[in-house]
Amino acid sequence: KNQVEQSPQSLIILEGKNCTLQCNYTVSPFSNLRWYKQDTGRGPVSLTIMTFSENTKSNGRYTATLDADTKQSSLHITASQLSDSASYICPPGGNTPLVFGKGTRLSVIA
Amino acid sequence: DTAVSQTPKYLVTQMGNDKSIKCEQNLGHDTMYWYKQDSKKFLKIMFSYNNKELIINETVPNRFSPKSPDKAHLNLHINSLELGDSAVYFCASSPYQGHQETQYFGPGTRLLVL
Repeated sequence: KNQVEQSPQSLIILEGKNCTLQCNYTVSPFSNLRWYKQDTGRGPVSLTIMTFSENTKSNGRYTATLDADTKQSSLHITASQLSDSASYICPPGGNTPLVFGKGTRLSVIA
Repeated sequence: DTAVSQTPKYLVTQMGNDKSIKCEQNLGHDTMYWYKQDSKKFLKIMFSYNNKELIINETVPNRFSPKSPDKAHLNLHINSLELGDSAVYFCASSPYQGHQETQYFGPGTRLLVL
């Protein structure tokens, strides 16, 4: 069964600190994995998309890694800002519709 | 210059009513989607259309009927609304059919059925 598990469920960090969010997935066949940021009351916004052959991809202060062998991905946020407070979701893709997990709720506080 | 827009943003209605949600994208994309996000925050795909043709229908009750008058619009009509239909409904679009493409989401429509 195609599934996505993300950890932690929620995270509170101080502004300026770094953090890493984890994503484990079971999707077959697998071809790519995305990270989306969803602000409260808004639709998800794409941060990165990686194919199975890519190990890392950056988008500003966001760096995603992918290990297709262990079916794990992580999103590292550097020098967090208050505006990073949101839910982060990591749907993997293959030849089936995207599977979304519950996400990690990040709160950045001053 | 809104990319994917939805109307209305909020919808409160009585059980048994029929309602519609509209979605428009000005990105020139071929593929559009409807997702439902329930209270547990899981996003689940409901429908996908490519160039006005239905390509995905994920075991959604037939009270839900999508309509795509052209490839820039994908509307969702819901008949005989039930309490369990309360959720946030997101429209999305992507350049082409296929699951390789980045999807661009609308702001969501918050539906509350009383």
